[in-house]
Amino acid sequence: QQQVKQSPQSLIVQKGGISIINCAYENTAFDYFPWYQQFPGKGPALLIAIRPDVSEKKEGRFTISFNKSAKQFSLHIMDSQPGDSATYFCAASKYNQGGKLIFGQGTELSVKP
Amino acid sequence: DAGVIQSPRHEVTEMGQEVTLRCKPISGHDYLFWYRQTMMRGLELLIYFNNNVPIDDSGMPEDRFSAKMPNASFSTLKIQPSEPRDSAVYFCASRSGVSPLHFGNGTRLTVT
Repeated sequence: QQQVKQSPQSLIVQKGGISIINCAYENTAFDYFPWYQQFPGKGPALLIAIRPDVSEKKEGRFTISFNKSAKQFSLHIMDSQPGDSATYFCAASKYNQGGKLIFGQGTELSVKP
Repeated sequence: DAGVIQSPRHEVTEMGQEVTLRCKPISGHDYLFWYRQTMMRGLELLIYFNNNVPIDDSGMPEDRFSAKMPNASFSTLKIQPSEPRDSAVYFCASRSGVSPLHFGNGTRLTVT
């Protein structure tokens, strides 16, 4: 009930391409779904987050798509750049417990020039 | 805003020794979290505090682990005695109310 499953484990995309990372959750009580970006030697940093009252949220080149009935959400990175190469984590929690996050296993993204 | 500050950045110790990791949260943040990151288990929540009081320590793996928050600007995570399987990156994070969680840059612990 507490798991968040993330795929793929690793992803290689050409510069300018679209990167897509998927997550699925089990606990229907979750109502806060952030994505974090982590560079080597650094802590995770919030990239974008969504709540289930909307099906999509866009910030610049980053978009979250959310499917409440399927209990799935995904991150799309448009026009992927080499500087986007990092590890991406999806997470889920109850909104009023926004720090008590359950993280996916992470996706290592490499954007080739 | 200096962000969440953790020390040391790297710690190498021998099995059986006591290890103390330190964290200074962002000023004004009233929630503090300790996470552990390993290849096998990913990012796991160990414990979190609200207004310096431990709220949920269900993620603390064993009695060898303890955490304290003596005041709003300082927290420690102690492992005594340390074991090789404790090797991981330990992150401290803080937030205020329902604001996003801010992570420090972690302490990489190696127990030989």
